Amino acid sequence: AQKVTQAQTEISVVEKEDVTLDCVYETRDTTYYLFWYKQPPSGELVFLIRRNSFDEQNEISGRYSWNFQKSTSSFNFTITASQVVDSAVYFCALSEATGRRALTFGSGTRLQVQP
Amino acid sequence: DGGITQSPKYLFRKEGQNVTLSCEQNLNHDAMYWYRQDPGQGLRLIYYSQIVNDFQKGDIAEGYSVSREKKESFPLTVTSAQKNPTAFYLCASSIEGLAYNEQFFGPGTRLTVL
Repeated sequence: AQKVTQAQTEISVVEKEDVTLDCVYETRDTTYYLFWYKQPPSGELVFLIRRNSFDEQNEISGRYSWNFQKSTSSFNFTITASQVVDSAVYFCALSEATGRRALTFGSGTRLQVQP
Repeated sequence: DGGITQSPKYLFRKEGQNVTLSCEQNLNHDAMYWYRQDPGQGLRLIYYSQIVNDFQKGDIAEGYSVSREKKESFPLTVTSAQKNPTAFYLCASSIEGLAYNEQFFGPGTRLTVL
């Protein structure tokens, strides 16, 4: 069975600090997809990134970067120079290519960025 | 504007009553999903549908029912059999029900049982 673990329940940083959100996953599939979503206080989830299991290249998008390591089954998310607008709950999710093809979510990490 | 709408935003229900949550999308997506979110927890899959007139149970389907008579609509009924229905309910859709498709989410409905 697939599982996603986000061990950090809540993180608090001061603006301009860098912060890394951890995500560890379990799956028996060789083909799978990893996602990060942001949930601001309004409640609606916003898609941030998708990664497939065959692509271990790190990705950078502005202040956001993602580190995918199959050897440790991790897909960590780093925000550089954090801003107050980054305050939200962040979810890591996994989807397997076989089976039900629906997302399995981690429990989320609440990030609070203090001014 | 294309997107997913959920109504109502807040819903109050008395114990023993059934209630239906609406989810409509105009993205022309084939697949639709319902998730439940409890405080401090991730999203758990209730039901999903990859095509009209077909749907499958997710991880926590007991006490819920759905229908998919139209491509753009996927209503969720919370029945009196659901023992602890107070939660935040999120509807999502994706182009196809494939593993690599990102899901787009609606704004959610917060259900409170009085």
